[in-house]
Amino acid sequence: TQLLEQSPQFLSIQEGENLTVYCNSSSVFSSLQWYRQEPGEGPVLLVTVVTGGEVKKLKRLTFQFGDARKDSSLHITAAQPGDTGLYLCAGDFASGTYKYIFGTGTRLKVLA
Amino acid sequence: GAVVSQHPSWVICKSGTSVKIECRSLDFQATTMFWYRQFPKQSLMLMATSNEGSKATYEQGVEKDKFLINHASLTLSTLTVTSAHPEDSSFYICSARKKTSTDTQYFGPGTRLTVL
Repeated sequence: TQLLEQSPQFLSIQEGENLTVYCNSSSVFSSLQWYRQEPGEGPVLLVTVVTGGEVKKLKRLTFQFGDARKDSSLHITAAQPGDTGLYLCAGDFASGTYKYIFGTGTRLKVLA
Repeated sequence: GAVVSQHPSWVICKSGTSVKIECRSLDFQATTMFWYRQFPKQSLMLMATSNEGSKATYEQGVEKDKFLINHASLTLSTLTVTSAHPEDSSFYICSARKKTSTDTQYFGPGTRLTVL
């Protein structure tokens, strides 16, 4: 069974600080997605990365896919209280199935 | 847009009863739908993959006779939790994949099930 470990599990920071969340696996991903989930709601897709070494930016969020496609990171610059939520990576391990397995999650709280 | 709805949004039932949860793609056709469950403070766990017109594929450890999945049309999949027990209490979330977009799944808002 493929396992996606995210670190840290919990993160509480002050508004304006920067942070990085990591997603790691021992297996190669065909593609990887990052989501954010608010309490009591479904996850919302932030980005999909496919190519090793790929970097994508979404406003203050920067996503990087590892060269070997086994890991990814999410960096948030100048965090705001609105960034608070559960961040989830999800990997597709078997090319062609597009069945995504979710990571363990990182719960972020940004204090005003 | 790509909107997925779930019904009901929450349900409370007695132990031993069965509960049906619907997942609908409102403005697109979904050849594949996925069912997840999420316990408090935890991540999503994939339960099964549902393809229109065929039997669902269950993940290891998920009882297919307990969690009945039907995907009768390109816009509707249902999950029935049979003989529910308190340990089945969870947040159940579905997602749907468009026929034309294989790597993107659109999530529903989830259904909170509480079994007394």
